[in-house]
Amino acid sequence: AQKVTQAQTEISVVEKEDVTLDCVYETRDTTYYLFWYKQPPSGELVFLIRRNSFDEQNEISGRYSWNFQKSTSSFNFTITASQVVDSAVYFCALSSGGSNYKLTFGKGTLLTVNP
Amino acid sequence: DTGVSQDPRHKITKRGQNVTFRCDPISEHNRLYWYRQTLGQGPEFLTYFQNEAQLEKSRLLSDRFSAERPKGSFSTLEIQRTEQGDSAMYLCASSFGHEQFFGPGTRLTVL
Repeated sequence: AQKVTQAQTEISVVEKEDVTLDCVYETRDTTYYLFWYKQPPSGELVFLIRRNSFDEQNEISGRYSWNFQKSTSSFNFTITASQVVDSAVYFCALSSGGSNYKLTFGKGTLLTVNP
Repeated sequence: DTGVSQDPRHKITKRGQNVTFRCDPISEHNRLYWYRQTLGQGPEFLTYFQNEAQLEKSRLLSDRFSAERPKGSFSTLEIQRTEQGDSAMYLCASSFGHEQFFGPGTRLTVL
């Protein structure tokens, strides 16, 4: 069975601080995919990134960066110089390399960025 | 707008009534998913279609739930004899590859 754990339920920071959201996953599959989604107060899930299990390169996109480490089964997400607009619930998710790609989500981390 | 759309956005019903939700995926996305999200939780997988074929159903999907995707385009999710425990956000997503794109969801409240 697949499992995603986001141990941080809520994080509160002040604008311009850096913040890291943790994600730990469990799977028996050798091929799998990891995702981060953002859910702002409006409710719609917004896709942020996908990483493949065979590609451990870290990725940076503007103020966002992701650190994928297979050795610790972690896929952490860092926001640099946080902004109020970053306030949202962030979900880490996992799908197998099978044919249906259904997502298993963590419980999410509520990030509040205060001005 | 070419994103995933869902209708209605909100539904309030009385226990025991039937409800039906609709999802219109992104054009030409062959995969369509339904998820359910309750307060403070991540979305949970309900069912999956590839084109018009329903290929997987979660054990969460009791026999009161049925989903269809006629002609491989839009999809409907029906809940019969609703119960208070069915109150949740019902999310639809579509994809062509690995990334799933979500609609705004239908929030169901069962009184």
